[in-house]
Parts: sequence; C-alpha cells; structure tokens
Amino acid sequence: AQSVTQPDIHITVSEGASLELRCNYSYGATPYLFWYVQSPGQGLQLLLKYFSGDTLVQGIKGFEAEFKRSQSSFNLRKPSVHWSDAAEYFCAVGAVGGGFKTIFGAGTRLFVKA
Amino acid sequence: DTGVSQDPRHKITKRGQNVTFRCDPISEHNRLYWYRQTLGQGPEFLTYFQNEAQLEKSRLLSDRFSAERPKGSFSTLEIQRTEQGDSAMYLCASSSPSGGASEQYFGPGTRLTVT
Repeated sequence: AQSVTQPDIHITVSEGASLELRCNYSYGATPYLFWYVQSPGQGLQLLLKYFSGDTLVQGIKGFEAEFKRSQSSFNLRKPSVHWSDAAEYFCAVGAVGGGFKTIFGAGTRLFVKA
Repeated sequence: DTGVSQDPRHKITKRGQNVTFRCDPISEHNRLYWYRQTLGQGPEFLTYFQNEAQLEKSRLLSDRFSAERPKGSFSTLEIQRTEQGDSAMYLCASSSPSGGASEQYFGPGTRLTVT
C-alpha cells in the first residue's frame, strides 16, 4: 500500500540553526515526491519536487531535499532556519504517468525559537 | 490573482444541514482535486476530475458527499445532512496535464465547523 511516514510530529530549532525533516515513503512504482508547507490558516504551498534525474533538488525559500531510493527517503533540509519558516511541513508522494492521487504524510510542525 | 480560489473560507452549520463549497481552479488546469484535512493530519484525497469527468472517488466520500464539475471549470462539493465528524478543512487543488506529473496547486481551503 502507498504510504508516507513523517516520523517527527514536531521539531524545534533555534533561528539560524540547520534543519532536517524526515520523510519515508512506500510506493510500488517510481514515485513523484513533493514537500509542501502550510502556514496557519493557509493552503499548501509547494516547496520542491522530485521527478527524476539529480537526486538533490533545490526548492524555494532556501530548502533542498535529497531522494535516496535505497532508503525510500526524501528528507528536507535547510542550512539556516528563519523565524518565518515556522509552519507545518508535509511530504507527499504522487504517481508517475499522470497520477491523480497524492498521498500525504501526517506532517511535521516546525517551531523556531529566537 | 490566478491561483486556486475557494468559497467560502469558513462555514459554520448545524448538524443535519446541507452545505456546498465552490472551487475555481487555475484557468488552464484541466485536473481538479478535493481533499479533506483534519486537525493534526495531512490532506486526504476525496475525489478527482479530469475536465468534467469524475474519475476517482475515495471510500472516504460517503453517499452524503457529492462533487460536480459541470463545465470542466469550477467545481462544487456538497455535503448533505452534515455530521459533526464532517468538521474539517476542505482543500481544492488543480493541475495541468503537461508531462503527466501530479504537481498540484492548492487553494486556501474551506473550514467547515458542524455544531
């Protein structure tokens, strides 16, 4: 069955510190992988996506993620967190070839302390 | 603004009442999706349209739920005889057919509270 696991319900980091949010997926075919961010009361904004090619992908707001097929992981990283990064982050997997269903993880809430 | 829009943003209703939500996708997108998001969870897929055809419905979509996209543009999601368990954020997303990718653009959502 298709699934996405985000092991950390919430994470707290200090402003300026580095960040890594974990994501593991289970998918029977070649996946499309996404990270979305959701601020309170807002819809989801796409941070980055992986379809194929280079396994290290760059996104908006200074985020990057690395696809590791052997570990079924797609972890999100940022070298220096800003207070405005505090939000909920969702990892998601979609189908290759015109997928119509995206499976989301339960999310990781990021808190940033001064 | 050419993003996905949803109306209303908030809806409070009494149990047993019917509610209808509207979603206007990005104009050139032919695929439209509805998701439900409850507190502390990620969005859960409800249904999907390609143009006006409803191609997939989740088992989460009980008989009280119906979605339409009559002209392949905007879509409506109706919930009949609402229950307290229907309280959630209802998200709409759209995507284009290019490249077969499933990258979706989300609207701000409609928050439903059933009292």
